[in-house]
Amino acid sequence: ETGVTQTPRHLVMGMTNKKSLKCEQHLGHNAMYWYKQSAKKPLELMFVYNFKEQTENNSVPSRFSPECPNSSHLFLHLHTLQPEDSALYLCASSPWTSGSIDTQYFGPGTRLTVL
Amino acid sequence: RKEVEQDPGPFNVPEGATVAFNCTYSNSASQSFFWYRQDCRKEPKLLMSVYSSGNEDGRFTAQLNRASQYISLLIRDSKLSDSATYLCVVDTNAGKSTFGDGTTLTVKP
Repeated sequence: ETGVTQTPRHLVMGMTNKKSLKCEQHLGHNAMYWYKQSAKKPLELMFVYNFKEQTENNSVPSRFSPECPNSSHLFLHLHTLQPEDSALYLCASSPWTSGSIDTQYFGPGTRLTVL
Repeated sequence: RKEVEQDPGPFNVPEGATVAFNCTYSNSASQSFFWYRQDCRKEPKLLMSVYSSGNEDGRFTAQLNRASQYISLLIRDSKLSDSATYLCVVDTNAGKSTFGDGTTLTVKP
């Protein structure tokens, strides 16, 4: 499936590095999401963008900086991360209808390791 | 109390068995409910939405009980390929979805 793509699929970085995760959706959706999934923990919503506007920031540390230039692309800029930030970062998109959540379609994720 | 809580599992069942998972939610104003499936080291994928009247898709049946604030997923005639983690998703605020911890199912020959 190529509805939601994420690059890179794997990333190893040092704590002083700066890197970016990219997500692209080809479904014509209006909402995009970043989630973090750590080992043996549930999915944690990080950010929500609706029509390119950020509508949710779930108390995410400032070392994670999202960017949504248009409805099809979403970035997560990373800088000075900590080892505990190592996780699977999942991007998702949904059509967005007012008042309730829609089915979300997930990308394959980026497995991030911070050394 | 967590906003969304699932049966902790794991569930280990033989092929052909019927298995049911429950998921409770704390916000009585929640409107949308879903079951997702996540295979090992893969992304979650929608299994089915949960409607007020309940819904069925082949061997899978989802139910919503608003009075007791829980949803359930019933899998009949389990297959080996049903082995996965099942995630309950509830909207606790408009546009914000909360995932449960997941319930792991292993179907054995």
